[in-house]
Amino acid sequence: GENVEQHPSTLSVQEGDSAVIKCTYSDSASNYFPWYKQELGKRPQLIIDIRSNVGEKKDQRIAVTLNKTAKHFSLHITETQPEDSAVYFCAANYGTASKLTFGTGTRLQVTL
Amino acid sequence: GAVVSQHPSRVICKSGTSVKIECRSLDFQATTMFWYRQFPKQSLMLMATSNEGSKATYEQGVEKDKFLINHASLTLSTLTVTSAHPEDSSFYICSARAGGYTEAFFGQGTRLTVV
Repeated sequence: GENVEQHPSTLSVQEGDSAVIKCTYSDSASNYFPWYKQELGKRPQLIIDIRSNVGEKKDQRIAVTLNKTAKHFSLHITETQPEDSAVYFCAANYGTASKLTFGTGTRLQVTL
Repeated sequence: GAVVSQHPSRVICKSGTSVKIECRSLDFQATTMFWYRQFPKQSLMLMATSNEGSKATYEQGVEKDKFLINHASLTLSTLTVTSAHPEDSSFYICSARAGGYTEAFFGQGTRLTVV
């Protein structure tokens, strides 16, 4: 199966600063890497994803980069706002059913 | 995005009883549904994958006789926790994916408490 590691486990930034969360994966066959935001007691919400045929993708304040050679991908949030505070999970697909393995999560706290 | 509805959102049951959780795709046909379990402050752990009309595939360490999954139609999958025990208390979340697509959409989750 796939093994996904995620760092850091907690991240505190001041409003307006940038936040970076990093993940590594083990299965070189993985080709889909989504990022989810989960607020307490709520469902995970897809915020951005990237496929292995591109190295970077951006959507307003959120960007994701992928380094296939090193098997790592990162989430970048710029101009952070208090409403960005949540737990963020990276994931990577594996297997014929394209299942997802999730990272351990990063609790992001954006302070005023 | 597509809508996946999960019910109930919360359930409390007594030890030894069974609980059924429903996962519905409201505006698309879900050929594949996934069931996850999430303990407090932990990540989502895949329990099983179900495809419409066939038996579910369980992840290692998940008891198929305890967690019964039925995916009888393209819009509905159910998870039944049988003979529930306090250690089964957790947040159970489904996700659904249409055929040919990579992205899966999550239900709102079910908080199960076994007393």
